[in-house]
Amino acid sequence: SQTIHQWPATLVQPVGSPLSLECTVEGTSNPNLYWYRQAAGRGLQLLFYSVGIGQISSEVPQNLSASRPQDRQFILSSKKLLLSDSGFYLCAWSKGGETQYFGPGTRLLVL
Amino acid sequence: GENVEQHPSTLSVQEGDSAVIKCTYSDSASNYFPWYKQELGKGPQLIIDIRSNVGEKKDQRIAVTLNKTAKHFSLHITETQPEDSAVYFCAATSGGTSYGKLTFGQGTILTVHP
Repeated sequence: SQTIHQWPATLVQPVGSPLSLECTVEGTSNPNLYWYRQAAGRGLQLLFYSVGIGQISSEVPQNLSASRPQDRQFILSSKKLLLSDSGFYLCAWSKGGETQYFGPGTRLLVL
Repeated sequence: GENVEQHPSTLSVQEGDSAVIKCTYSDSASNYFPWYKQELGKGPQLIIDIRSNVGEKKDQRIAVTLNKTAKHFSLHITETQPEDSAVYFCAATSGGTSYGKLTFGQGTILTVHP
């Protein structure tokens, strides 16, 4: 069966510091991968998606970037965090671009 | 692009009652409609989905109905239990792209009182 992991589970970072969140998927190959942000427990905003290694598409302009160095690894990064980057970050995967399965999420607090 | 509206934003029911959450979508090309349940501090979990070639789907106490003409779909939970308390999200996708972009509703906070 497939499993999706995210780490860290929680993170507190000062404004201006860098960020790296990691997501890995087990039990499948060549999945579509997605990064979402959820503010205040409501509404999921798609940030990035990837259909293959090194292929990243951005949905909204922002202070964040994404990379996919391996088939089942998806990384969300920032060089300098802003207060507005606080939120709950969710990674998801799908096979064939339909049903998406979400990871446990990373709660980020920028102070 | 696709726009999904979800109502109500909050729903409070007594244990054993039924709960209904409704969503409307704007893109007539949308053909896949999943529902997710999100418990506090966790990622959303898929609970049921429906494709546009089907009008209704049921899984134990949960059912989803789809009206393509009116462009709306609904989640029905019968015999609610306190553990059904969570935030529920509907979503829609056209499936016309290789990456399957989902557009989500804003969520419904369901509270089931014992």
